[in-house]
Amino acid sequence: NAGVTQTPKFQVLKTGQSMTLQCAQDMNHNSMYWYRQDPGMGLRLIYYSASEGTTDKGEVPNGYNVSRLNKREFSLRLESAAPSQTSVYFCASSATGRVAELFFGEGSRLTVL
Amino acid sequence: QQPVQSPQAVILREGEDAVINCSSSKALYSVHWYRQKHGEAPVFLMILLKGGEQKGHEKISASFNEKKQQSSLYLTASQLSYSGTYFCGTSGGGADGLTFGKGTHLIIQP
Repeated sequence: NAGVTQTPKFQVLKTGQSMTLQCAQDMNHNSMYWYRQDPGMGLRLIYYSASEGTTDKGEVPNGYNVSRLNKREFSLRLESAAPSQTSVYFCASSATGRVAELFFGEGSRLTVL
Repeated sequence: QQPVQSPQAVILREGEDAVINCSSSKALYSVHWYRQKHGEAPVFLMILLKGGEQKGHEKISASFNEKKQQSSLYLTASQLSYSGTYFCGTSGGGADGLTFGKGTHLIIQP
């Protein structure tokens, strides 16, 4: 079972370059999320999609855009990367319901020079 | 606003017990607990809901005080495999994701 798959796992960008992080889940989950993790800061929500066709801003959305391509896929785009966006990015998904836990992908480590 | 976790770090000997606390300034519907090992993704441990419902692994225990908006994770007879960073995540009840604390680093020594 693949679960939540993220690509790429590692990426180095120069300031001003753009890139898209891809995320796909095979668990038929309605909700999908993008978090970033920085040392000492925990996980912070960037954007989420409660269901196919909807997206909403989280705690730290500036500099990012997202697309919920279909029920399986949720991508995160950096239009003009900045060094402050150097981080580890996690995609997660969850089913609908009161006791629905998050399933995380393995993470994508992004470095912006 | 992020929930506050305490302590920030704990060092234990194998077999000792630990308690990790999570406190929020907002009314909570649920509290989640996750463990993350270095270089890996967070892994689900437990959910505690307002009203008393729980879901999680058998060997993990936790409490949720709705009035105080606090939760505690209890790790008893710790094993080396318990080492990692523990995160609590809180929800007000919608499908808008969890707000995570900054984490508690747990080191278990033989």
